[in-house]
Amino acid sequence: EAGVAQSPRYKIIEKRQSVAFWCNPISGHATLYWYQQILGQGPKLLIQFQNNGVVDDSQLPKDRFSAERLKGVDSTLKIQPAKLEDSAVYLCASSPGVNTGELFFGEGSRLTVL
Amino acid sequence: AQSVSQHNHHVILSEAASLELGCNYSYGGTVNLFWYVQYPGQHLQLLLKYFSGDPLVKGIKGFEAEFIKSKFSFNLRKPSVQWSDTAEYFCAVNAGSSASKIIFGSGTRLSIRP
Repeated sequence: EAGVAQSPRYKIIEKRQSVAFWCNPISGHATLYWYQQILGQGPKLLIQFQNNGVVDDSQLPKDRFSAERLKGVDSTLKIQPAKLEDSAVYLCASSPGVNTGELFFGEGSRLTVL
Repeated sequence: AQSVSQHNHHVILSEAASLELGCNYSYGGTVNLFWYVQYPGQHLQLLLKYFSGDPLVKGIKGFEAEFIKSKFSFNLRKPSVQWSDTAEYFCAVNAGSSASKIIFGSGTRLSIRP
């Protein structure tokens, strides 16, 4: 079974530039998550989708972050404009359904903002 | 709001030593509890989970965890660690009646001396 795919693995940008991350979940997984993991901290949920609808985006900084999951499959997370404090690993995860609790993570996209 | 605390940031043990990593959560209702592990260079993966029933749960690679409701704790244990257990360990909680929002602790880095 193919895992969660993310790209790019690494990205370096200057502050105020924009960046986009892509995630393809495991086939058939209805729930998709984006987490932000800052060095030395645990993953922090940014947004959760159930199929193509948003379930929770309470911690997404909506003035600069946006995410979509068109057609309920793959997803894109965008940051525009980036700030220094956005330097982190952006993790995508998927799960088969609601309340299963088991998340399958991708390898993450490491963002460095200079 | 629910939260998860992992008080040990970095634990260093010798091979064959016993391990116990602390995890406390704050939420008064029914919870689902998880331990995730991230080996060096790999993605986060589920180690074990508690949904209900026997409060002592067993996971992969000889790990176990005990849910003590009165203490709001879900500590991870292993009787005898190996060098290959070197990794970062994250406790997580999923609470509430809404869709599966999973909150992670800040993680404990485990280093095993060969």
